[in-house]
Amino acid sequence: NAGVMQNPRHLVRRRGQEARLRCSPVKGHSHVYWYRQLPEEGLKFMVYLQKENIIDESGMPKERFSAEFPKEGPSILRIQQVVRGDSAAYFCASSPNYGRREINTIYFGEGSWLTVV
Amino acid sequence: RKEVEQDPGPFNVPEGATVAFNCTYSNSASQSFFWYRQDCRKEPKLLMSVYSSGNEDGRFTAQLNRASQYISLLIRDSKLSDSATYLCVVNRHTGTASKLTFGTGTRLQVTL
Repeated sequence: NAGVMQNPRHLVRRRGQEARLRCSPVKGHSHVYWYRQLPEEGLKFMVYLQKENIIDESGMPKERFSAEFPKEGPSILRIQQVVRGDSAAYFCASSPNYGRREINTIYFGEGSWLTVV
Repeated sequence: RKEVEQDPGPFNVPEGATVAFNCTYSNSASQSFFWYRQDCRKEPKLLMSVYSSGNEDGRFTAQLNRASQYISLLIRDSKLSDSATYLCVVNRHTGTASKLTFGTGTRLQVTL
């Protein structure tokens, strides 16, 4: 998986609890992406972050979801007051800071499976 | 209309068969194109990039038609291990990074 580490791999939460998913990108990668995959569906872009900045959060639900990528430490995807519909696989990916004209290669982590009961 | 559309399948084929998947994309600003493979409950993995000139990697051949906004993947001599979901992916550069848009995938089941 080219070194993107996600944890926890599996997380069970009761409705109303908070879920925190962590992602450590490939060493030296400064771009992090979060994708969500609902059961039997494709991956949907959620958010793109660079260190300390949110660049594109057009795929994030307006409420309860937040993401950060601090200067030190992993990227965190936080889901507050989880509901059953949040049950999904959450994939993190990272890429290096390529120039605009280069084809970027994005490396995926193994995913975090959230189950809300 | 979805930005990337694929036939969900499943495609059930016998070992040794040739199978082709198609994909269309709606955003003409898309700049690069890929096929990813995803096994059940695993992360997607890059299978191959797709170029207008067509490209081949062993039993796999990918083709891009920019005018028709159409991408294809051909698998020859299918193996049991090819059973997976194949994701068509388009990429747009935004600033200095990329935004990948995934199709919902086409499921392939290769049988004995």
